[in-house]
Amino acid sequence: GAVVSQHPSWVICKSGTSVKIECRSLDFQATTMFWYRQFPKQSLMLMATSNEGSKATYEQGVEKDKFLINHASLTLSTLTVTSAHPEDSSFYICSARTLSSPLHFGNGTRLTVT
Amino acid sequence: LAKTTQPISMDSYEGQEVNITCSHNNIATNDYITWYQQFPSQGPRFIIQGYKTKVTNEVASLFIPADRKSSTLSLPRVSLSDTAVYYCLVGDSNSGYALNFGKGTSLLVTP
Repeated sequence: GAVVSQHPSWVICKSGTSVKIECRSLDFQATTMFWYRQFPKQSLMLMATSNEGSKATYEQGVEKDKFLINHASLTLSTLTVTSAHPEDSSFYICSARTLSSPLHFGNGTRLTVT
Repeated sequence: LAKTTQPISMDSYEGQEVNITCSHNNIATNDYITWYQQFPSQGPRFIIQGYKTKVTNEVASLFIPADRKSSTLSLPRVSLSDTAVYYCLVGDSNSGYALNFGKGTSLLVTP
């Protein structure tokens, strides 16, 4: 149980375009979903927290207008990287939880901006 | 949020028991201790979670002393496939707050 599915697993896009990443909790309803970013050889960095039906809370230094998060249902959250640039190339990972449960993570999305 | 400190890296031979210790001196009363394993280009995978004393599951054991200021993940008889980064996270399981990742411990298992 507690499967989190992330799609796509990798994506290559041109600079200036937008990319949407989906995160779904397959067998549970996630009260909260989180988005992380991970650069090579580094740890995961929290970008934002999203609760179903409300606006996401972004960590300091993360541009909310660039990284659009939508959490439309208890099983789906999306991250859209708008006007992507090469420095946005990274590994994006979502996670989901219910109350009193550990975080469960998706398998990540490798974004490469050319 | 409780800060965690782990060794940056560890080496082990196949078949040995590996113990990774995490320090979390300012752990709060409501905080749980959770360990994750991450392989390259994959999301972290839940290993084990505990609050106090000892917790054991099919893959690992977690030892937590009475003061809860540290914890030790024990991996019995590691294999090559246990080569990964291991993260210790501390946080309130009942809150809506994310768990913050420290630098993790990179474990290398060799034949």
